[in-house]
Amino acid sequence: DAGVTQSPTHLIKTRGQQVTLRCSPKSGHDTVSWYQQALGQGPQFIFQYYEEEERQRGNFPDRFSGHQFPNYSSELNVNALLLGDSALYLCASSWPQATDTQYFGPGTRLTVL
Amino acid sequence: AQKVTQAQTEISVVEKEDVTLDCVYETRDTTYYLFWYKQPPSGELVFLIRRNSFDEQNEISGRYSWNFQKSTSSFNFTITASQVVDSAVYFCALAKLLGGSYIPTFGRGTSLIVHP
Repeated sequence: DAGVTQSPTHLIKTRGQQVTLRCSPKSGHDTVSWYQQALGQGPQFIFQYYEEEERQRGNFPDRFSGHQFPNYSSELNVNALLLGDSALYLCASSWPQATDTQYFGPGTRLTVL
Repeated sequence: AQKVTQAQTEISVVEKEDVTLDCVYETRDTTYYLFWYKQPPSGELVFLIRRNSFDEQNEISGRYSWNFQKSTSSFNFTITASQVVDSAVYFCALAKLLGGSYIPTFGRGTSLIVHP
């Protein structure tokens, strides 16, 4: 049973560019959450998708957007990249109606130069 | 607002020592969940334990044990007889119900280094 997978593993972009990160949830999970983890910090909640809609959103600007597909996989898009967007981006999935326990993927390390 | 404080930034021990990682939280909610996660160098957060706000029983799982005390808003984690493989960053998190979903707030983490 595959766990949560994310792609790519690493990514290098320059300021002003746009980036798309991808996540496939654990089998049977329909809810996907995204987190940003800056170096030396704990993960911060960006948003959560359920039934292809954004259900909750953290304190992140509109440059951060997402999408969930019918197969429950998800994308995180970040526009107009800033140096401060450099971080590990983690995806987590959970069972229906059981979002209290989330399973995390290995993350995508984004470096903005 | 919710807040999780892990005051210990880094702890260094020698193998076989016992070590306790502290976690103090703040919330106005009466229903919430507390978690501990382990993050090895590979980056993936590994779930260790979940405890709801109504269950103050301490728990032991092998070398790991957790002490939940609502009176002091603490949820501390002890590793007995530490091993080199325990070296990682450990995160405490507090999740509240928001719009039908539990959204966690993480502490800044404690880096545990176990020397052979």
